[in-house]
Amino acid sequence: QKEVEQNSGPLSVPEGAIASLNCTYSDRVSQSFFWYRQYSGKSPELIMSIYSNGDKEDGRFTAQLNKASQYVSLLIRDSQPSDSATYLCAVNSARLGSARQLTFGSGTQLTVLP
Amino acid sequence: SQTIHQWPATLVQPVGSPLSLECTVEGTSNPNLYWYRQAAGRGLQLLFYSVGIGQISSEVPQNLSASRPQDRQFILSSKKLLLSDSGFYLCAWSAGGGPREQYFGPGTRLTVT
Repeated sequence: QKEVEQNSGPLSVPEGAIASLNCTYSDRVSQSFFWYRQYSGKSPELIMSIYSNGDKEDGRFTAQLNKASQYVSLLIRDSQPSDSATYLCAVNSARLGSARQLTFGSGTQLTVLP
Repeated sequence: SQTIHQWPATLVQPVGSPLSLECTVEGTSNPNLYWYRQAAGRGLQLLFYSVGIGQISSEVPQNLSASRPQDRQFILSSKKLLLSDSGFYLCAWSAGGGPREQYFGPGTRLTVT
């Protein structure tokens, strides 16, 4: 079982729709959760971080965390073609030997159709 | 504000040649520093991380090595490159201490021929 799992996609949504990206993780003691956006050929860019159960909103982005079910999701409202990218979920896990390390999922490719 | 630099941006090297990639961070002190590799169409693989000058932890056995000669400088090296070393090399930093966000540099795309 992968430590951090994401659907690889591709996920296609029409412009203006809500895009929903999901991520599950295996280590129950994970404390910190992050979403990164990576455009083709570019480096990952941090877009959201979440540390406690519930929702966290930032503009058109909402991160949702459910530690009991071990999943974290990212909702993108009013999706734009410029949101087309690969979205990486990252989880901090003490099991990796250091609280400073992150484990990344393999990413979900999102395409927003005009 | 903090910025992270990597160079070179792209590199084409023959098998068996040496490698040196450099990463520097500005605007922060005592950062944690990381080297990742991303193979084409794959996720991020942590190679090395450092919590201070001269302190390097390796995550995977390989023919690469890392050094941190200064607080905000992180270097990735190899004495002899393999074809399998091709990929997108990313340096990242985070604030010292507990679980924190990591911020990535622009990356170096390495092709070993």
